[in-house]
Amino acid sequence: DAGVTQSPTHLIKTRGQQVTLRCSPKSGHDTVSWYQQALGQGPQFIFQYYEEEERQRGNFPDRFSGHQFPNYSSELNVNALLLGDSALYLCASSLGQVLNSPLHFGNGTRLTVT
Amino acid sequence: GESVGLHLPTLSVQEGDNSIINCAYSNSASDYFIWYKQESGKGPQFIIDIRSNMDKRQGQRVTVLLNKTVKHLSLQIAATQPGDSAVYFCAQGAAGNKLTFGGGTRVLVKP
Repeated sequence: DAGVTQSPTHLIKTRGQQVTLRCSPKSGHDTVSWYQQALGQGPQFIFQYYEEEERQRGNFPDRFSGHQFPNYSSELNVNALLLGDSALYLCASSLGQVLNSPLHFGNGTRLTVT
Repeated sequence: GESVGLHLPTLSVQEGDNSIINCAYSNSASDYFIWYKQESGKGPQFIIDIRSNMDKRQGQRVTVLLNKTVKHLSLQIAATQPGDSAVYFCAQGAAGNKLTFGGGTRVLVKP
């Protein structure tokens, strides 16, 4: 039973560029959430997708956008990259209809913006 | 607003001893609290959760205590092992499974 998988594992981009990160949820899960984790800090909620729609959003600018596909996989897009976007981006999946369904996290994509 | 506050201390514990990690939270409306363990190079791994209608919950070698009066959460690890070395995060859940994380506590297990 595959857990949450994310690709790529590492990425280096230049300021001003755009990036796309990908996530496949744990088998049986239909909800995908994205978190940003700066070095030495706890993850911060970016947004959540369920039924191919953004359901909740954290305090992140519109440069951060996403998408969920019919197979429940998801992408996170970041435009006009800033140095401060350097972080570990975590994808987490859960069962959308189950109250307080525990989130299962992938191992993240380490994004470095230079 | 919602915040789950953890300083980022390092807890050094002797192998075989018990560990206690503490966490304060600010949103008293939250009814769901979770502990995660994060090893180097990996994503957070679910350890144990607790609903606000409980004050204690036990798992395998772990116990979570919730004190709603003072908005405090703790994780106790019994007989700490080298594999327990990691950063531990508490988080509080909101509607739709949105989690607010604290800053983490690093646990170092000395052999």
